[in-house]
Amino acid sequence: EVQLVQSGAEVKKPGESLRISCKGSGYSFTRYWINWVRQMPGKGLEWMGRIDPTDSYTNYSPSFQGHVTISADKSISTAYLQWSSLKASDTAMYYCARSWGGGNDYFDYWGQGTLVTVSS
Amino acid sequence: EIVLTQSPGTLSLSPGERATLSCRASQSVSSTYLAWYQQKPGQAPRLLIYGASSRATGIPDRFSGSGSGTDFTLTISRLEPEDFAVYYCQQYGTSPWTFGQGTKVESK
Repeated sequence: EVQLVQSGAEVKKPGESLRISCKGSGYSFTRYWINWVRQMPGKGLEWMGRIDPTDSYTNYSPSFQGHVTISADKSISTAYLQWSSLKASDTAMYYCARSWGGGNDYFDYWGQGTLVTVSS
Repeated sequence: EIVLTQSPGTLSLSPGERATLSCRASQSVSSTYLAWYQQKPGQAPRLLIYGASSRATGIPDRFSGSGSGTDFTLTISRLEPEDFAVYYCQQYGTSPWTFGQGTKVESK
C-alpha cells in the first residue's frame, strides 16, 4: 500500500527554524517526485515546489523560492520542507504529495498533512 | 503563471442532482494537463481526474471530466451524500503548477 506519512504538528515562534518530513512507503521512492503544497487556514491549495529524490533536483514556485528549502534523503525514503526563520504568515497546513513526472505531474497520493502554527 | 478561475464559488444542490463545475485557465493548458481533486473537511485532497478526463483509480464513474485549451468541466452525474466537499482544479502543464481557488458543493 502506497503511503506518505508526515511528521506531527508543530508550534513555533517567529524567527525559529523548522524542518518537517514526509516518509514514503509501499513504492519505489526514487521513481516519483515529492511535491509540497501549502493550505493556509480556510484557503485553497498552493504548490510550493518539488524534489526528485534520485538526485535531489528541485523546482520551486517563484512564490516560495528563497523562503523554503526542499530536500530528501533517499536512503530513508524521506523528503523534507524547511524554514530558516519562520513568520506568522507561515501558519498553515502543509501536504506532501507524489507525482510521476514526465508530463504525469498530477498528485496521486498525498500525505495526511502537517499543521504548522507560528505565534509569539 | 497560469491562473485558474473556478466557478461557481459555491454550488447548493440536493442528493441525486447533477453538479457541473467549471475551471477556466488564463492561457491554454498544455496537452490537457489538468487534474481535479476533492477535499473534505480535515482531510487531504484526493485525486479524481487527471489528463482532463481520465478517472483516477477507484473513482466512481459518476465523476467525469472534459475540456481542453482554457475551459474544463468536472461533472458529477448524481450527487451522493459523500460528494459534498470542495473541489479544486490544477494545471500541471506549465511550471509553476497552479490550482484554482475551489468550488464548494454543499447540500441544499
